[in-house]
Amino acid sequence: KNEVEQSPQNLTAQEGEFITINCSYSVGISALHWLQQHPGGGIVSLFMLSSGKKKHGRLIATINIQEKHSSLHITASHPRDSAVYICAGDSGTYKYIFGTGTRLKVLA
Amino acid sequence: NAGVTQTPKFRVLKTGQSMTLLCAQDMNHEYMYWYRQDPGMGLRLIHYSVGEGTTAKGEVPDGYNVSRLKKQNFLLGLESAAPSQTSVYFCASSYLFDSSSYNEQFFGPGTRLTVL
Repeated sequence: KNEVEQSPQNLTAQEGEFITINCSYSVGISALHWLQQHPGGGIVSLFMLSSGKKKHGRLIATINIQEKHSSLHITASHPRDSAVYICAGDSGTYKYIFGTGTRLKVLA
Repeated sequence: NAGVTQTPKFRVLKTGQSMTLLCAQDMNHEYMYWYRQDPGMGLRLIHYSVGEGTTAKGEVPDGYNVSRLKKQNFLLGLESAAPSQTSVYFCASSYLFDSSSYNEQFFGPGTRLTVL
């Protein structure tokens, strides 16, 4: 069992839908990093958070450290949101513990 | 401020050939990392460095060597490439960890390597 689990692994949505991607972890972390990777592209930082909620445009990330769970929400989804979303736990040292990613496809 | 850069972006090698991937960062970060990304496997740590002149093994170090002679550069070497090393390689860097900051890693654009 992975120490960081993401769900779902694959997600297809219609344009405009509200999307939620979940990340659960079984180890202690000091913060969680949400990353985005477009097909064939680099890895872009979305959010890093250790508590509460952060918002940037149509993206919202929440984390509950006690429940060891984080969610990434996309409001009013758009085809350009199609990408792989990766959560990574900052273990409190210098290493990340990565989830295997959620592949999102938004249809026009 | 270019952030983290990687060269080359693409490379095709024949089995047994050698090559070096270069990662450079201009953020004065202490920590640097090399990852490989394979379908269905997620990102796996090959080697990392916690400062100039230091390197350490990650999860999948076999077949790779690294050097960190300058703080801003982290080199990944393949001495004798094998088809199993066909992958996308990402470099990342982060600032010095302390109790008051996150270890936020910043990623380069990746190098797509094919070994025939």
